[in-house]
Amino acid sequence: GENVEQHPSTLSVQEGDSAVIKCTYSDSASNYFPWYKQELGKRPQLIIDIRSNVGEKKDQRIAVTLNKTAKHFSLHITETQPEDSAVYFCAASISYGQNFVFGPGTRLSVLP
Amino acid sequence: NAGVTQTPKFQVLKTGQSMTLQCAQDMNHNSMYWYRQDPGMGLRLIYYSASEGTTDKGEVPNGYNVSRLNKREFSLRLESAAPSQTSVYFCASKKHPGVDEQFFGPGTRLTVL
Repeated sequence: GENVEQHPSTLSVQEGDSAVIKCTYSDSASNYFPWYKQELGKRPQLIIDIRSNVGEKKDQRIAVTLNKTAKHFSLHITETQPEDSAVYFCAASISYGQNFVFGPGTRLSVLP
Repeated sequence: NAGVTQTPKFQVLKTGQSMTLQCAQDMNHNSMYWYRQDPGMGLRLIYYSASEGTTDKGEVPNGYNVSRLNKREFSLRLESAAPSQTSVYFCASKKHPGVDEQFFGPGTRLTVL
């Protein structure tokens, strides 16, 4: 089955700096890659997603890039703010979004 | 709309006890999911229901059963709880089986002693 790895497990950045989280997946049939943000004690919420026919997608300070050949995708957050502090999960889907396999998560801390 | 709701929010069980976690959504979604979240392991799929009347096993189904009661409700049952089932359980739903956002409930924190 699909396996998703995520790095780093923890990341600390200064406010205003950029943060990058990387994920790799094992199944070349995966075709949908969402990113979820989970604040402490709250539910995961979708922040951005990308389909396999697209190489990059941006939404204000957040961007996701996908390299299908290398089977990895990354989340980029620019001009980080304290409210970006959370756990971020990547996921991959091998059935056009029916079921997700999640990575183990990255705890991002934005230091003032 | 309340979105996805779960009950209870917290529960403590003794080994061997049984309980049912309830999940409901009011968004007219077709697909529903149960995940467990453990530290350092992300979200792991227990069971899912692609549409009303169907259920399928996910990555970690052992020790659990599910019921898709109707389009709105999807319950998760632990017949004989074990300490290894101590976790945070999330229910999620989405409109279509295909590419689509999953909406999560607030979670149930379960401790098995």
